[in-house]
Amino acid sequence: GDSVTQMEGPVTLSEEAFLTINCTYTATGYPSLFWYVQYPGEGLQLLLKATKADDKGSNKGFEATYRKETTSFHLEKGSAQVSDSAVYFCALPILQGAQKLVFGQGTRLTINP
Amino acid sequence: EPEVTQTPSHQVTQMGQEVILRCVPISNHLYFYWYRQILGQKVEFLVSFYNNEISEKSEIFDDQFSVERPDGSNFTLKIRSTKLEDSAMYFCASSAQGARGYTFGSGTRLTVV
Repeated sequence: GDSVTQMEGPVTLSEEAFLTINCTYTATGYPSLFWYVQYPGEGLQLLLKATKADDKGSNKGFEATYRKETTSFHLEKGSAQVSDSAVYFCALPILQGAQKLVFGQGTRLTINP
Repeated sequence: EPEVTQTPSHQVTQMGQEVILRCVPISNHLYFYWYRQILGQKVEFLVSFYNNEISEKSEIFDDQFSVERPDGSNFTLKIRSTKLEDSAMYFCASSAQGARGYTFGSGTRLTVV
């Protein structure tokens, strides 16, 4: 079935470092792909999305490009900030039936000043 | 911006007790969901609700669980007899477009002691 695999965490970086969190997927067809973020003590927020191959989603300085050839949707940011410390989830939708989301296992990111 | 509201934010209950987790979805949304996140683990689909009935449920959603939309605005998840392993963060979500556009609530942290 459709699935998402994220890089193992936790990830700890220094402020202003280049940030990348890997995500690969297995899917039937070409679904949209999402990155969700969960800040400490809060719920899930949609960070960005891409709806088709080669699309780039972007928000708050983060980017992710939908790569069909490598079945990947890696999250990147050029200069990490302390406020980016959170748990990041890659997800894809199952558009048949219940219209549910399948999540990766989450990557905890800590940015130190 | 419209929000999905969940109450309470944290509930502690004794094993074997019934709990009801409450959610107020966005008013013009048609798809409603419950997801669960055991501490440190991935977010898992529990159940979806559309057109006043369950459209899909996961194997986690056994006979101890039920959902209801009692009055056209609230969407509740009931756990009839809680177990220690039900301790988790429970997220409600709603969508107008199925898996293409979820809005998640901030979650209810359930602790079973």
